[in-house]
Amino acid sequence: GNSVTQMEGPVTLSEEAFLTINCTYTATGYPSLFWYVQYPGEGLQLLLKATKADDKGSNKGFEATYRKETTSFHLEKGSVQVSDSAVYFCALRGSTSGTYKYIFGTGTRLKVLA
Amino acid sequence: DVKVTQSSRYLVKRTGEKVFLECVQDMDHENMFWYRQDPGLGLRLIYFSYDVKMKEKGDIPEGYSVSREKKERFSLILESASTNQTSMYLCASSSPGRNSPLHFGNGTRLTVT
Repeated sequence: GNSVTQMEGPVTLSEEAFLTINCTYTATGYPSLFWYVQYPGEGLQLLLKATKADDKGSNKGFEATYRKETTSFHLEKGSVQVSDSAVYFCALRGSTSGTYKYIFGTGTRLKVLA
Repeated sequence: DVKVTQSSRYLVKRTGEKVFLECVQDMDHENMFWYRQDPGLGLRLIYFSYDVKMKEKGDIPEGYSVSREKKERFSLILESASTNQTSMYLCASSSPGRNSPLHFGNGTRLTVT
């Protein structure tokens, strides 16, 4: 079945550092891919999405490119801020019959130090 | 903006109680979902619904049931709460297209003592 694997956390960075959170997936067909962010005490918020190969999703300085050849959707940001401290989840939704459920990774906690 | 509202942020119940968690969405979404979130385990799907009065089991349905009498409302029911159901519960909704993202509520942190 479909699955999502993302890097273990926590990731600790200094402010203005470059961020990469790795995400790889296993899926049949052409799934849609998503990154969500969860701030303390809140639910998950959609950060960005990509729906086909080579699409780049972007929002609030974060970017991720749908790479079908490497089945990856890595999250990047050029310069993190303390306010980016949160848990980040990679997710997919399948494209073939019987795979329409959303599948989430286990989450990566990011801590940004001033 | 889509709004998904969960009726309680924090709930404390006793073992054996029947517990109702309520969720309402205001965007006329066909799909609604209940997840639980536990440290180290990520999000696990309990139940979902693609239409009114329709429900399907997710990955961990044991000990739970759901009700969807109206399109905007999806209730999660713990028939007899147990301590291992202490968790964060997240409700979400989406429209049917495969490109549609999930929209989440703020969660209900349930403690069963």
